[in-house]
Amino acid sequence: LAKTTQPISMDSYEGQEVNITCSHNNIATNDYITWYQQFPSQGPRFIIQGYKTKVTNEVASLFIPADRKSSTLSLPRVSLSDTAVYYCLVGDRNLNNDMRFGAGTRLTVKP
Amino acid sequence: ETGVTQTPRHLVMGMTNKKSLKCEQHLGHNAMYWYKQSAKKPLELMFVYSLEERVENNSVPSRFSPECPNSSHLFLHLHTLQPEDSALYLCASSRDSNQPQHFGDGTRLSIL
Repeated sequence: LAKTTQPISMDSYEGQEVNITCSHNNIATNDYITWYQQFPSQGPRFIIQGYKTKVTNEVASLFIPADRKSSTLSLPRVSLSDTAVYYCLVGDRNLNNDMRFGAGTRLTVKP
Repeated sequence: ETGVTQTPRHLVMGMTNKKSLKCEQHLGHNAMYWYKQSAKKPLELMFVYSLEERVENNSVPSRFSPECPNSSHLFLHLHTLQPEDSALYLCASSRDSNQPQHFGDGTRLSIL
């Protein structure tokens, strides 16, 4: 079973910053947080992974508070092509296949 | 282009047919996965192979039979499927079994 809770859907407009929050109240000490993006009729794509504080790459930022019971994926200046389902996964990188996909958040970016 | 190629992209088969789905990766990854994605359901992990050995089988019916002949190839053999098996079947690979996964674009399977 997935260890995370995310909003089912979100709407945004082009050019806005979008923040998707994921709750993982039972996160364990060795768990990492990983986000994927999935477009229709395609497989998920890895976006970003982090353990604590803040991680940034060319696509997104991941903010993780000190208690690690939640995390926020931040997408700067979204475009229509960012319309997708975003999945938050939590799991131990040292345990085989500990991460499970949940229902994800369906983000719709409007013009 | 993710480096993971799945064929065929679409497959329609009857319940008595036998077919196979193929997945290929040339990323040098050691772990490969099969997932099932049904409409409006989360991805379901079906099988995991690490270094060509099956390390997980999530209570998948025996009408689905995986095969991993080498670290670059993964097959899913199908026989006597049911209509509820219609779904998108996704293959993924990762450097090791606990690393971020690279997914193919899936095979859309329809059972008549």
